[in-house]
Amino acid sequence: QVQLVQSGAEVKKPGASVKVSCKASGYTFTSYYMHWVRQAPGQGLEWMGIINPSGGSTSYAQKFQGRVTMTRDTSTSTVYMELSSLRSEDTAVYYCARDPGNMVPSYMDVWGKGTTVTVSS
Amino acid sequence: QSALTQPASVSGSPGQSITISCTGTSSDVGGYNYVSWYQQHPGKAPKLMIYDVSNRPSGVSNRFSGSKSGNTASLTISGLQAEDEADYYCSSYTSSSSWVFGGGTKLTVL
Repeated sequence: QVQLVQSGAEVKKPGASVKVSCKASGYTFTSYYMHWVRQAPGQGLEWMGIINPSGGSTSYAQKFQGRVTMTRDTSTSTVYMELSSLRSEDTAVYYCARDPGNMVPSYMDVWGKGTTVTVSS
Repeated sequence: QSALTQPASVSGSPGQSITISCTGTSSDVGGYNYVSWYQQHPGKAPKLMIYDVSNRPSGVSNRFSGSKSGNTASLTISGLQAEDEADYYCSSYTSSSSWVFGGGTKLTVL
């Protein structure tokens, strides 16, 4: 079955970087875009960006431009999200989510369980 | 990109119907038929309930339906059940080639 398995919880100090992984299985990795979405404690969902695992092209939310990098490794069917210059406001659960959009990405049908990132001095 | 506007909370009794609205602009909800809805129970990942305004994924109850008029999309849940109690989020593709979520609506089944 389709599965997205994310890496474990992280605790980071302000100013550091974090790299979260999302390993896909049960489908053709390069045929579906992947989104990254985060959720701060008690808050709503926030879209961070999207990567096309086929060619590696990316599009990031303006808020995260310059601080986020999304990459993929087709040999292991894994996408990565790296966020730098961490601050306390980046404390959140980070989700990867597959997009099955036919010609263009449009929605998120399968989600990972989330990775908790805590930024604290 | 500003978040889409959803009511903070809605409630209903078992068996009743409720509707959650999601208001955006002509640059997102009104401009594209790429509105989706997600259900999230506490401590769990979101679950897709509706995509492309009104389509229901396989396995989602037909008690859930979606629609759109102008810049406002709606999610209707009929025959409310206790298990429907959760947070609901709308999302839309935008003219900036990005996605935006609503602030979320907490559904309480009385």
